[in-house]
Amino acid sequence: DQQVKQNSPSLSVQEGRISILNCDYTNSMFDYFLWYKKYPAEGPTFLISISSIKDKNEDGRFTVFLNKSAKHLSLHIVPSQPGDSAVYFCAASFGGSQGNLIFGKGTKLSVKP
Amino acid sequence: DTGVSQNPRHKITKRGQNVTFRCDPISEHNRLYWYRQTLGQGPEFLTYFQNEAQLEKSRLLSDRFSAERPKGSFSTLEIQRTEQGDSAMYLCASSLMNEKLFFGSGTQLSVL
Repeated sequence: DQQVKQNSPSLSVQEGRISILNCDYTNSMFDYFLWYKKYPAEGPTFLISISSIKDKNEDGRFTVFLNKSAKHLSLHIVPSQPGDSAVYFCAASFGGSQGNLIFGKGTKLSVKP
Repeated sequence: DTGVSQNPRHKITKRGQNVTFRCDPISEHNRLYWYRQTLGQGPEFLTYFQNEAQLEKSRLLSDRFSAERPKGSFSTLEIQRTEQGDSAMYLCASSLMNEKLFFGSGTQLSVL
């Protein structure tokens, strides 16, 4: 039973436009959410996180939005760049943990020049 | 900072054989995690250490799997009597206490 769901396996966006990656979760006890980025043949790399007490966190071109009532979060990348092409994983945890994470299946983002 | 190092990068073995993987974390990191990733899935938590103590194990970690971190530095993950279902990417990550994880590039296991 998938507790963290990324329903779009892939997304294609033009360079300079906004990329929006979505994630849904089922367990209302999750209190910390993270996004990781993964290039081929490399391990995942931390991108941005948000605590359940917030509804938005921004870091440069990356913004994560959390809608607790809908159990939904999204990652916005503006503007998108070809180097952003990667697989993006949404993850969630209990107790503010950044280590014992439950990951979604990932969304492959392709940013076309 | 040389990052998290995992060896070997690839391992091919026959069903029933034992395999062992090694992970060298970032030197000052006291927490070390093992995850497993199969094709089309996200990483799944297996276990983690704080220094040399193994603090949590997932129910995914069957009796055939054992992990150690004897001196609180590098860690090994051993799989005994491998099965085809063990074929996966095994990822190691480290962190400083409850801060963000730094992942290695993984060990790809293929069980024939």
